[in-house]
Amino acid sequence: DTAVSQTPKYLVTQMGNDKSIKCEQNLGHDTMYWYKQDSKKFLKIMFSYNNKELIINETVPNRFSPKSPDKAHLNLHINSLELGDSAVYFCASSQGVDPYEQYFGPGTRLTVT
Amino acid sequence: GESVGLHLPTLSVQEGDNSIINCAYSNSASDYFIWYKQESGKGPQFIIDIRSNMDKRQGQRVTVLLNKTVKHLSLQIAATQPGDSAVYFCAENSGYSTLTFGKGTMLLVSP
Repeated sequence: DTAVSQTPKYLVTQMGNDKSIKCEQNLGHDTMYWYKQDSKKFLKIMFSYNNKELIINETVPNRFSPKSPDKAHLNLHINSLELGDSAVYFCASSQGVDPYEQYFGPGTRLTVT
Repeated sequence: GESVGLHLPTLSVQEGDNSIINCAYSNSASDYFIWYKQESGKGPQFIIDIRSNMDKRQGQRVTVLLNKTVKHLSLQIAATQPGDSAVYFCAENSGYSTLTFGKGTMLLVSP
């Protein structure tokens, strides 16, 4: 009965590869987010989707392409991976576009070698 | 361990003590604030929130205080337990559907 789930939990890949991270929420929320947490634990919003539509894109390189097939899913595809993409990526969801309580997934630790 | 090289502000307390974690926010127009707890290897977990029309809100063993004059937020944890050991983040509503997170404070509780 996990509320927000992400796969995979760990992802190790080489520079230049393309990879995807999947996120699903079963809370019935209509807004979903992707965050990046760096090695210093700094957590920064990347994207926000409401009812499958992109509403926030915080100057993320266009190698990152989120896709929301339905309200319960928000996937993140990354092209041409770079060393600096290594981080923990968190998916989150909330009800409505106001940033009230957001529920976070367990995170995906991406390591680019 | 995970904390090596992080250089996060750290608060070390003994079990049973009260803990106070502080946060300065940047946007005087922010109208909503939230505290999250992040345990090692997990995602942030909601603790308590407060709107800008309040200056204090209490939960179970936690209290959040908001001082809008100096743009300061604090989280008080009563009778701190080892299970409270984690990194704590404050976040503010900085715009449409956006939470801006602070840098985080590591709380270490020793038995």
